[in-house]
Formats: sequence, structure tokens, C-alpha cells
Amino acid sequence: AQKVTQAQTEISVVEKEDVTLDCVYETRDTTYYLFWYKQPPSGELVFLIRRNSFDEQNEISGRYSWNFQKSTSSFNFTITASQVVDSAVYFCALSERWDNDMRFGAGTRLTVKP
Amino acid sequence: EPEVTQTPSHQVTQMGQEVILRCVPISNHLYFYWYRQILGQKVEFLVSFYNNEISEKSEIFDDQFSVERPDGSNFTLKIRSTKLEDSAMYFCASRALVGMNTGELFFGEGSRLTVL
Repeated sequence: AQKVTQAQTEISVVEKEDVTLDCVYETRDTTYYLFWYKQPPSGELVFLIRRNSFDEQNEISGRYSWNFQKSTSSFNFTITASQVVDSAVYFCALSERWDNDMRFGAGTRLTVKP
Repeated sequence: EPEVTQTPSHQVTQMGQEVILRCVPISNHLYFYWYRQILGQKVEFLVSFYNNEISEKSEIFDDQFSVERPDGSNFTLKIRSTKLEDSAMYFCASRALVGMNTGELFFGEGSRLTVL
């Protein structure tokens, strides 16, 4: 079964700092999909990004960037110039090709202080 | 923008009572899910549903739980006899058929269940 580890339970930064959230995954499947979701204080789960296992190209979307490295089984998420509105719990998740579920890591609570 | 809707947003019940949580997935989606999140903890997979039957379920989804798609639009989660430890936020999600298990899940806003 797949497994997702987010070793950082909580991170606190000051506004405008860059911050990287780590995600390490385990899977025996050669085809899999990685995701990041944001859970703001209001509680909903907001999709941020999907990455396929056969596409290791890094992605940038505004202040957000993702670094996918199969060699280290990592899919890290960096927020550049953090803002107070980035304060949330961020979850990394994994779906394997032949399993019809998505498994989440334990989440990292990010607090951005003004 | 289409969204997953869940009702009720909050339900308080007595231990041993039956609870039904309702979800309306996005209309052209084919895969449906329930997840739960105990306060402050991780989001845990409960069950997935496709083609009118359960396709995967976790060890949490025991005989006390059941799911149903009664009318082609609603997707329900029933807890037969609630326990204190069932208190959690329950999220419904749906996914379009985009290749094989490739698409992201779209989540509802959750139903908070409090068991007293």
C-alpha cells in the first residue's frame, strides 16, 4: 500500500519568508499521481496541484512551486514570499494507478506571521 | 463553477443513533469518495464508489458504515450505530474519469459529526 510522510508537523515563518514543505512517498507502483491540497482555517480541502510519476518537470504557479524528484521519492512544495493568507494545513497525497483511492500524509500546519 | 455539496454542515447525535450524511457530487463525475478527519488529525480514506458499487474501502469502513447512491445524484454515507470515536469531519469527494485514476478529487466542505 502507498504511504505519504510529511515529517514537518508545524512550521512558523514571518511574512515574506520563503518556506518549503516536505513530502516523501512510498509506492511499489511505477505509475502514480501526487497531489497537494490546502486546508485553510475554514476547513475545506482545496486542490493545488497534480503531478504524474512519468513527468518530473518542476512546476511554478505564481508564488507556489513544486519540486518532484523520483530519485528521492519526494514532492516538495515551496511558497515564495509567504503571506498571512498562506496560513493553513497543507496535505500531500498519493494515488496509485490501480487503486481507486487517494492517501494523504499527516499534513503540515503552516503559520505565517505578519 | 460546479462543486460538491454536503448536508448537513453539522450534526449532533447521541451515541447509538443512526446518522446519514448526504453529498451531491459534481454532475459528470463518476467516482465518489468519503473521507473523514478527526479534529486536528490527518484526512483518512473511508471508501470509494464507482458504477454503483464499492470499489475500495479502508479498515475504518467496518460493518457500521454503508454507502449508497439512491437516485443518481445523491451519494450517502450511513453510520448505523454511532460511537463517540465517530466524531469527525466527513468529506465527500468526486472525480471525473480522466484516464486511469489520474484526476484530482474535488471535495465538499464537509459535514461535522459530533457524537455525544
